[in-house]
Amino acid sequence: KQEVTQIPAALSVPEGENLVLNCSFTDSAIYNLQWFRQDPGKGLTSLLLIQSSQREQTSGRLNASLDKSSGRSTLYIAASQPGDSATYLCAAPEVRGNNDMRFGAGTRLTVKP
Amino acid sequence: KAGVTQTPRYLIKTRGQQVTLSCSPISGHRSVSWYQQTPGQGLQFLFEYFSETQRNKGNFPGRFSGRQFSNSRSEMNVSTLELGDSALYLCASSSGQGADNEQFFGPGTRLTVL
Repeated sequence: KQEVTQIPAALSVPEGENLVLNCSFTDSAIYNLQWFRQDPGKGLTSLLLIQSSQREQTSGRLNASLDKSSGRSTLYIAASQPGDSATYLCAAPEVRGNNDMRFGAGTRLTVKP
Repeated sequence: KAGVTQTPRYLIKTRGQQVTLSCSPISGHRSVSWYQQTPGQGLQFLFEYFSETQRNKGNFPGRFSGRQFSNSRSEMNVSTLELGDSALYLCASSSGQGADNEQFFGPGTRLTVL
């Protein structure tokens, strides 16, 4: 059974800083891992999906990596902006191949101008 | 391409009532999953429907049920509402299976039970 953990729960950085968000998972037979962003009271916005056969994915200032052997994924945000302030969640399927996603509790990011 | 839509966006009900929430997936997507999000428990999986069949179910009581129609639209029903059912209910749309199966979420329905 897949369990997903995110530490820290909250992070505050000054604008322009590069930062890394962490996500840990327990089952190394992970099928894929998805990173989301959630603004207060809103739904989830998909940022990046990494398949089990991939090591990383990039979209603009975002780069996500996947290390199955260590049970870790990281989301790297370059040159952070105040608009990046949100809660970032990672999720993986509980069982390989199904859509029962297990979510971490999220990291609440604040980027200060 | 239109995103995932959920209606209504906000609902206020009283204990004991029932409620129906609706989700329209992205065109061409056959899988709809439902999640409950609360401050204490985070995001928890309720169930998934694929081609009108419930494919997976989370650990929620039988008061929570759902269905999917032939056009892939899905409804979720909660009967005999309890105060603890107050939450943001999110649905996710995807093509169905595969390691490249990306989940797309709707804006959610905020349910308040008084």
